[in-house]
Amino acid sequence: QSALTQPPSASGSPGQSVTISCTGTSSDVGGYNYVSWYQQHPGKAPQLIIYEVSKRPSGVPDRFSGSKSGNTASLTVSGLHTEDEADYYCSSYAGSNNRVFGTGTKVTVL
Amino acid sequence: QVQLVESGGGVVQPGRSLRLSCAASGFTFSSYAMHWVRQAPGKGLEWVAVISYDGSNKYYADSVKGRFTISRDNSKNTLYLQMNSLRAEDTAVYYCASQEGYRSRPGLSHLDYWGQGTLVTVSS
Repeated sequence: QSALTQPPSASGSPGQSVTISCTGTSSDVGGYNYVSWYQQHPGKAPQLIIYEVSKRPSGVPDRFSGSKSGNTASLTVSGLHTEDEADYYCSSYAGSNNRVFGTGTKVTVL
Repeated sequence: QVQLVESGGGVVQPGRSLRLSCAASGFTFSSYAMHWVRQAPGKGLEWVAVISYDGSNKYYADSVKGRFTISRDNSKNTLYLQMNSLRAEDTAVYYCASQEGYRSRPGLSHLDYWGQGTLVTVSS
């Protein structure tokens, strides 16, 4: 049950794009299409923004997109808005009814 | 609308016990698996435990196995986390969250709704 690996930080100017990676193993990210992404603003609860690798819940802007290749999933935020400044966490099914989260990435809008 | 409200957090000495509750409303609680996820101060999210929609199956992170027990009372729309033998490293905000999917396999799909969290501090 090791945490998935994410870069500690990422940044971009308003209107630019930022991509966050989430690296696991064939036992979690690589083995299942049950990768999800969560956005967390300071002092708030996490909020789902991507599920099943690339699907967006209703109400989530289409500037958020997800993908996966092998054992690495990615979240791209296109056309950065100031309100996108937050922490982002990936999560994956890890087999045996377990879930695992990523280490988290702080996105800064310059 | 869906609401999840945690309670029961507080300051507790190492080795003691605490029980958290999560009151659910706005959805058919008895049809969905439920999770506990925690976040130590300034740290990332850590999955703690999941329970199936009917309470018959429970799964835990290795870090809490044998010390924590997840349970639910579907007649009261409430989720619980009994925490025993608490350690300093259990200090965290504890969130309850619902899993998407009617009677879905525990742990499989994403967590679609989260509570606001309750803080547990383990300190002498």
